[in-house]
Amino acid sequence: EPEVTQTPSHQVTQMGQEVILRCVPISNHLYFYWYRQILGQKVEFLVSFYNNEISEKSEIFDDQFSVERPDGSNFTLKIRSTKLEDSAMYFCASSERSVAARRYQETQYFGPGTRLLVL
Amino acid sequence: AQTVTQSQPEMSVQEAETVTLSCTYDTSESDYYLFWYKQPPSRQMILVIRQEAYKQQNATENRFSVNFQKAAKSFSLKISDSQLGDAAMYFCAYRSSQGGSEKLVFGKGTKLTVNP
Repeated sequence: EPEVTQTPSHQVTQMGQEVILRCVPISNHLYFYWYRQILGQKVEFLVSFYNNEISEKSEIFDDQFSVERPDGSNFTLKIRSTKLEDSAMYFCASSERSVAARRYQETQYFGPGTRLLVL
Repeated sequence: AQTVTQSQPEMSVQEAETVTLSCTYDTSESDYYLFWYKQPPSRQMILVIRQEAYKQQNATENRFSVNFQKAAKSFSLKISDSQLGDAAMYFCAYRSSQGGSEKLVFGKGTKLTVNP
């Protein structure tokens, strides 16, 4: 069964450093997402991406964050200058969106996550 | 903005018994999707079941079923014949289907323990 993959599984970085989290969505999916989960808290939406551009972003997704689809398979999240509060589990998700009778149907499938620790 | 509330931070069930996890949500929309995701200790988010608001019939997936009460904005998950592998965090999530927002809005989760 196709699945979303993410690398690395764990990343430790120093405050102020740049990190890039990588995701390979399911191959026929068109929509890509990043979510994060701070330890003990709920999963929060960061950004959605379609047709090589951001389609929606949350207030968390400020100028420190960026996303890119550098090739036909990878989808990346870059944090330019990490802060202590960026420590979290970051989940990538993808969905295959179809339109039927004006109704959008999709289920988002999640990757295993990258645990980011900022020291 | 839509909100999702899971009022049970923790639940426990005996193996082979049935347990129901609660979820309520707040929305002004008439059409939307609801999901239950499972997050085992490995931390991966796994889809358990989904419900489309326009469908009156409750969704079922093997031992998992939902009780969707649209008027009450309630979406509970019933796990029958609980197994040790069902132990996990369970998250209820909402997604609009009226165009525009594609994000999932999650509840805080319910930690389910299955006792042998």
